[in-house]
Amino acid sequence: EIVLTQSPGTLSLSPGERATLSCRASQSISSSYLAWYQQKPGQAPRLLIYGASSRATGIPDRFSGSGSGTDFTLTISRLEPEDFAVYYCQHYGRFLFTFGPGTKVDIK
Amino acid sequence: EVQLVQSGAEVKKPGESLKISCKGSGYSFTNYWIGWVRQMPGKGLEWMGIIYPGDSDTRYSPSFQGQVTISADKSISTAYLQWRSLKASDTAMYYCAMTMVTYDAFDIWGQGTMVTVSS
Repeated sequence: EIVLTQSPGTLSLSPGERATLSCRASQSISSSYLAWYQQKPGQAPRLLIYGASSRATGIPDRFSGSGSGTDFTLTISRLEPEDFAVYYCQHYGRFLFTFGPGTKVDIK
Repeated sequence: EVQLVQSGAEVKKPGESLKISCKGSGYSFTNYWIGWVRQMPGKGLEWMGIIYPGDSDTRYSPSFQGQVTISADKSISTAYLQWRSLKASDTAMYYCAMTMVTYDAFDIWGQGTMVTVSS
């Protein structure tokens, strides 16, 4: 079973800064099956990135995903006020979905 | 517009049964997997299971196998999550979500159903 670890647990940044979030898998995974979600308080999660680097419909290009093997990254190039939220990575493998524990991006 | 609309909040007592629903609209319900995700208060996302309404093929997370039942009624474009005997630890927000653009990520989410189990 794949275990996903996200770091840091909390990232404190200011609007306009660059955010770099990490997701590490317990073993090598196909980048085709790595996704990222954003969740704001009181809202359902929203898909940002799938296939490690493909933006979902309507997602601004300040969000980008990269990585392969066991190490994946979500980058927010310039934080907008609406980007302060919790971010989860997720892996799919043989009908099993696994979420990471999340990274909270809050305002410094 | 493609959307998933979930049933309303529930307050139940331990030992009671419950079935919550997720109705799809704006797309061909039978052609896309629908999953269920639990979020306990203040915690992260946990995938529970997934169903293909076209043939009711259902897969469960090992953590939830035997604890819940996932089903679907394609005649009314609705998926369900069911408990036979609720526990206080089932208190959580439950989301349904579907894989549309890609089968390995959830790109459409319901609004969530809050289930509270308390004596």
